[in-house]
Amino acid sequence: GDSVTQMEGPVTLSEEAFLTINCTYTATGYPSLFWYVQYPGEGLQLLLKATKADDKGSNKGFEATYRKETTSFHLEKGSVQVSDSAVYFCALTGNQFYFGTGTSLTVIP
Amino acid sequence: GAGVSQSPSNKVTEKGKDVELRCDPISGHTALYWYRQSLGQGLEFLIYFQGNSAPDKSGLPSDRFSAERTGGSVSTLTIQRTQQEDSAVYLCASSLWPGPATYEQYFGPGTRLTVT
Repeated sequence: GDSVTQMEGPVTLSEEAFLTINCTYTATGYPSLFWYVQYPGEGLQLLLKATKADDKGSNKGFEATYRKETTSFHLEKGSVQVSDSAVYFCALTGNQFYFGTGTSLTVIP
Repeated sequence: GAGVSQSPSNKVTEKGKDVELRCDPISGHTALYWYRQSLGQGLEFLIYFQGNSAPDKSGLPSDRFSAERTGGSVSTLTIQRTQQEDSAVYLCASSLWPGPATYEQYFGPGTRLTVT
């Protein structure tokens, strides 16, 4: 069945460091792919999405490209800030809805 | 406008009791979803309501779990004869039609259920 596998955490980075959180998926058909973020004390919210192969989703300096050939949707940011500290979830919408286990990111000044 | 609300925010119950969790979606959102987030686990899809269509119940883990959506708005998730493994945060989300492939899911704050 469909599934999402994302990089285990927690991840700790210094401010202005480069961030990559890996996400790979298994799906039949052509799913849409998402990154959701959960800031401390808040509910999940959509960060970015891509609905077809080679699409790039971007928001708040974060980017992810839907790679069908590698079945991946890795999240990247060139220069993280303390305010990016949160838990990040990769998700897939196909016949059902699948979320990864979440990756906790802490950015230290 | 108002977001997705859930009640109660916390619920502690004894093993074997029934519990009801409530979700108020964003007005006008025809799609409503329930998920479960257990410690150290990702979000587990439970059930999906879309307009007047029959709900997709394929994610419900056992027949102790059921959900209904009245009038296309408020939804209640019921867990009968609760077990300790039911302890988790239960999240509700809603979206516009035709659903999350096109429209963002908006999540509520969740209900933390603890079964003692």
